[in-house]
Amino acid sequence: GNSVTQMEGPVTLSEEAFLTINCTYTATGYPSLFWYVQYPGEGLQLLLKATKADDKGSNKGFEATYRKETTSFHLEKGSVQVSDSAVYFCALSRSNTGKLIFGQGTTLQVKP
Amino acid sequence: GAGVSQSPSNKVTEKGKDVELRCDPISGHTALYWYRQSLGQGLEFLIYFQGNSAPDKSGLPSDRFSAERTGGSVSTLTIQRTQQEDSAVYLCASSLAAGLAGARGNEQFFGPGTRLTVL
Repeated sequence: GNSVTQMEGPVTLSEEAFLTINCTYTATGYPSLFWYVQYPGEGLQLLLKATKADDKGSNKGFEATYRKETTSFHLEKGSVQVSDSAVYFCALSRSNTGKLIFGQGTTLQVKP
Repeated sequence: GAGVSQSPSNKVTEKGKDVELRCDPISGHTALYWYRQSLGQGLEFLIYFQGNSAPDKSGLPSDRFSAERTGGSVSTLTIQRTQQEDSAVYLCASSLAAGLAGARGNEQFFGPGTRLTVL
């Protein structure tokens, strides 16, 4: 079946450090891939997405590239800020209903 | 404009009681989804509505769980005879249309969730 695996957290970084959160997926066909973010006390928000192989999604300095050959969609940011502290979820959608299948979530804590 | 709203924000109940959780989607959104976020299971899909019908109920964990949607708008998730393992945050999301989530216009917007605690 379809599934998403992402690196376990928490991830603790100093401000301005480079961030990578790994995400790999298992799916039939060609899923759409997403990163969602949940800031403390807030609801889930779409951060970025990619709908086909080699697409790069980007938003707020975050990037992720859809790699079909390695079935990965790793999230990266060159210089994190304290305000990036949140829980990040990798997700895929394969069904024509649009339902999302999420990874376990990775907590990021950025210290000043 | 208004986003997805859910009520109550917190619900504490005793084991064996029934609970109802409400979701008000964004106006005009025809697709509505319920998810559950729990410590042991992560974030998992429960049910999908297109209009008032639910073509995908595959994520409902047992027959104690049911959901309905009326007028193509408000949805209610009902849990009967609650158990401690039902404790979780229940999230609702809506999107403009059904179809692949990555397609233009089909982004899912999430509500703040209802935190359910079963004692």
